[in-house]
Amino acid sequence: DTAVSQTPKYLVTQMGNDKSIKCEQNLGHDTMYWYKQDSKKFLKIMFSYNNKELIINETVPNRFSPKSPDKAHLNLHINSLELGDSAVYFCASSLQGRTGELFFGEGSRLTVL
Amino acid sequence: AQSVTQPDIHITVSEGASLELRCNYSYGATPYLFWYVQSPGQGLQLLLKYFSGDTLVQGIKGFEAEFKRSQSSFNLRKPSVHWSDAAEYFCAVGERGTYKYIFGTGTRLKVLA
Repeated sequence: DTAVSQTPKYLVTQMGNDKSIKCEQNLGHDTMYWYKQDSKKFLKIMFSYNNKELIINETVPNRFSPKSPDKAHLNLHINSLELGDSAVYFCASSLQGRTGELFFGEGSRLTVL
Repeated sequence: AQSVTQPDIHITVSEGASLELRCNYSYGATPYLFWYVQSPGQGLQLLLKYFSGDTLVQGIKGFEAEFKRSQSSFNLRKPSVHWSDAAEYFCAVGERGTYKYIFGTGTRLKVLA
């Protein structure tokens, strides 16, 4: 049973297209995150939701729009894709006030041509 | 601003040798501290964490780390490295009372047979 699962794992698309990545966690956590990992492996927080409420929104272009329909799901929609959006996007979850550690999905590798 | 520094981008050790990966952080109070490992094509897996108490923490796969407040460091150690330890290692800081986690830039470990 995968704790944090992301789909799709690989995504290849053309510039200008719109794409979505989905994330689900079955850990009962109340907080979910999107991180972007660039080609140099640098991990940067993009968004975080706690109980469906947006709590972290870093300086990310507004072409990126997260949506959390419930505590167990956090999706990422990207409009008008650009070459610089190519990266691995990681979903993560945590349970605040308890262990606090992040549990990561396996990542979604987005390639924009 | 909070920051995490991993001064070594690459480290190469021989199998069976000891290992120490360095991590320094900048934070006003004592943060939550983590080490994660990322194998190629995989998500990040928690190795160990420090929240409070004993400053020497044990983790999975034979790793340990020591929190040194005076040096703002949280170095990761392993007495005898195995070939399967080759991976990218990330140190991270979690801000107490918030939902923010900041990652270092990672250290890539190569293990020679």
